[in-house]
Formats: sequence, structure tokens, C-alpha cells
Amino acid sequence: DAKTTQPTSMDCAEGRAANLPCNHSTISGNEYVYWYRQIHSQGPQYIIHGLKNNETNEMASLIITEDRKSSTLILPHATLRDTAVYYCIVNAGGTSYGKLTFGQGTILTVHP
Amino acid sequence: GAGVSQTPSNKVTEKGKYVELRCDPISGHTALYWYRQSLGQGPEFLIYFQGTGAADDSGLPNDRFFAVRPEGSVSTLKIQRTERGDSAVYLCASSSGTGEGTEAFFGQGTRLTVV
Repeated sequence: DAKTTQPTSMDCAEGRAANLPCNHSTISGNEYVYWYRQIHSQGPQYIIHGLKNNETNEMASLIITEDRKSSTLILPHATLRDTAVYYCIVNAGGTSYGKLTFGQGTILTVHP
Repeated sequence: GAGVSQTPSNKVTEKGKYVELRCDPISGHTALYWYRQSLGQGPEFLIYFQGTGAADDSGLPNDRFFAVRPEGSVSTLKIQRTERGDSAVYLCASSSGTGEGTEAFFGQGTRLTVV
């Protein structure tokens, strides 16, 4: 799976949008971009995934650049409960899906 | 159950001892994964089961680590002759399949401390 690069940490004010970037310049054509987050002392939680098109669900939006070399996870109205480590993962899916390669992630701190 | 259950939540053992960590996946989930997470690091893949068989065990660090899933549901991760470097949180996850977008649900983990 392709390697990803994320900032080590970010801050966001409560109620504002949190935009978390991820670089994946070596992504292959069949690889998806997945985002998970891990709140302190809990297991990782799936957020969203995408291949080429932008995606939105009840938790977040995922914007993937046209060349697919980078993406941004957007939490539209961050709350204190969104404070967590956010992981951007590139994975080919299929039989290799379960072998998720987590990097260091971005520590997002939402403050009042 | 409502989610992935891991027991025990905490385990302290002496160096050289044998330990077993248990994972109860979400009912009906055919795929089950084990990960290990050291302090300050992201989870690291260990092994993946599809049904009863290990589809990929390339992440197991050495032959002291072994995992089974005899009936395609509950899985046990077994560590022989534990070392202090084995101290970590061991995470289990399950999913209903392996297709694109299949969500993996993680348990709370078992914190293993080898003293």
C-alpha cells in the first residue's frame, strides 16, 4: 500500500470546520483512501473512504484532488468530542483490505 | 453482541510466561483482524482471518505469536515466552466482508504489560 504523510498535530476551534490534509503521492489506480480516527483509550473508528470522487457522509466529507495525490478530510462543525488521532490510509481493498497500514496520524485538538 | 469484545481489558504477566488474548467479533462477521499498538504509534497489522483460516499472517513478528479462530467466530491470540517488548495494546477488529468500503469495527483492545 502507498505511504501517506500527515501533519503531526492540528488545532481547531469548536464549531469551526476542521480540515485535515493527507499526501499520498504514490497512490496506485486501484487504491482507495480511507480515514479512521482513534479517540483516547478506544479502538480506531471508520470515518469515510473514497476512490476518485468527493464523498460525504454524516460524519465528514472527503475531498480528493484530481491527480489523487492528496486528500482532505473535513469535519464541518468540530466539537470537543472530535478530539482524536486521525489516520489517513491508502488501501487496495479486496482481499488485502484488512491489512490497513496506519501511520502516525494527525492529533486533532478541538478547543472551546 | 453490540460490538467487538476483547478480554481481558488489561493483562499483566511476567517475562517468559504464556498469555492468551480473546476476541469476540460482531455476530456474523466473517473477517477478523488483529493489530498491535505501541505507545504513541499507530496500530500495526498482525494477522487476518477469513472464516476459520488465516488469510494473511505476514504481520506476526515471530513464531512466539500465534492466533486461531477454530469455528470462524471467536479468535484467540497466543503469545509464548513473553518479552518486555511485547507490551502493547492488542486490538481486534471484524468486518462483514472484504469488499471496497467495508468498514472494520475495532474493539477497545487488551493492554498487555510484561514485567
